[in-house]
This record gives sequence, structure tokens and C-alpha cells, in this order.
Amino acid sequence: QSALTQPASVSGSPGQSITISCTGTSSDVGSYNYVSWYQQHPGKAPKLMIYDVSNRPSGISNRFSGSKSGNTASLTISGLQAEDEADYYCSSYTRTSTRVFGGGTKLTVL
Amino acid sequence: QVQLQESGPGLVKPWETLSLTCAVSGDSISNYYWSWIRQPPGKGLEWIGYLYHIGSTHYNPSLKSRVSMSVDTSKNQLSLQLSSPTAADTAIYYCARERLSSGWYYGAFDIWGQGTMVIVSS
Repeated sequence: QSALTQPASVSGSPGQSITISCTGTSSDVGSYNYVSWYQQHPGKAPKLMIYDVSNRPSGISNRFSGSKSGNTASLTISGLQAEDEADYYCSSYTRTSTRVFGGGTKLTVL
Repeated sequence: QVQLQESGPGLVKPWETLSLTCAVSGDSISNYYWSWIRQPPGKGLEWIGYLYHIGSTHYNPSLKSRVSMSVDTSKNQLSLQLSSPTAADTAIYYCARERLSSGWYYGAFDIWGQGTMVIVSS
């Protein structure tokens, strides 16, 4: 199975909004609403930010939102804050019941 | 509060089997799907496979021939074994819980262990 495709890096200034894309295929992202997003700070374990495309776990700021169109899912962070600087990964359920991650995107807050 | 704690040898020789355990506290291991995920130094996440307490497992096709997962319900812990490891298997290994979505499990990892670093070297 091939990894989902994410941009290597994105950046934005405090207060701005950024969007990270996650492109898969009709065998994963395109066929299921089971896309998740994770935030990982250096030296830490990943943290679930969004599940089932657009749902936020309890305690996650509403500045984080998710969406999907066709084979591409997106994570939007509004009102960027310095603490949002981290690596972000998407993942998806697949047609063969496996799970697949994206390559990761490094977010820099300027 | 559910907590996961991975443990195992930090250094494994290529002719040995990489063996790790994940101790689960705060909830019964019988209630969820549990996955192993790894991250090579400076690289992205890779899903290794999942297991369910009744012994149901499903592995990443790229690792399937070398991976084995099991659960010990009496100890509330999971185990991962990876045979014939190479330097490419050097990574931080995480165990993670999958949360329920739409009545079943579809890969949303809501609880993670802190991870354990494994280096494969002779």
C-alpha cells in the first residue's frame, strides 16, 4: 500500500489560517469517511486532532477543522498560534482494512 | 485515564527477533482494537498492524511475512514480534488504541504510548 501524499512543509504567520492537504486514492480516502489527523511535537507521541474526516476529540480546539473532497482530505488550522508549530500526519482506513499514513507535513509558524 | 507503556530491548541484533510489549492500564484490553505503529528517525509514521483481544490480527502487507502480534488478557498487555530485522527496522515503536467510530474500528488512534526506540545493529 502506498502512503498518502502530503506537502512536506507549510507555513503561516500567527493569526492566519493554513490548510494541509492529504491525497489518497479511491481505495482509501476516496471511499471512506475514516480520515484522521495527528499533531506531533518533537520528541513526543502523535496526538489525535481530527477523526472521521471532521470530528474533534474532546479537548481539541475548534481552531482545528477537517474536510474531504474526492480523494483529498484537508486539515485547516485557523488563528495560528506558536504552539501549533509541529508535524502533522493524516491517516486513512483502506479497502483492505489496513490503515495508511501520509508522509507528514512540517508546519512552521513564522 | 488510559495509559500505554511500551517496553523492550533498545538494541537488537539482525539475527535476533525484535520483541516488544505494551502494558495497558486504566481500561481492559478486551474493549478495543490495538495497533502497533513505528517511526524511523526523522521520518514519518508507518502502520504495522492491529490486533483484537479474541486473537484477530491484520498486518501491513509490506511486513506481514515477518510480523506477529499477540495479546495477554491476564496481564492486560500486547506483544509485537518482528523477525529477521534489518537496519531499516530501526525506529520508535508505538502502541496505540483505536477509538470506536460508527460502531466499529476504522483506524482513529486516540491513545498512544510514549514509544520505545529500537536500534537494529550487530
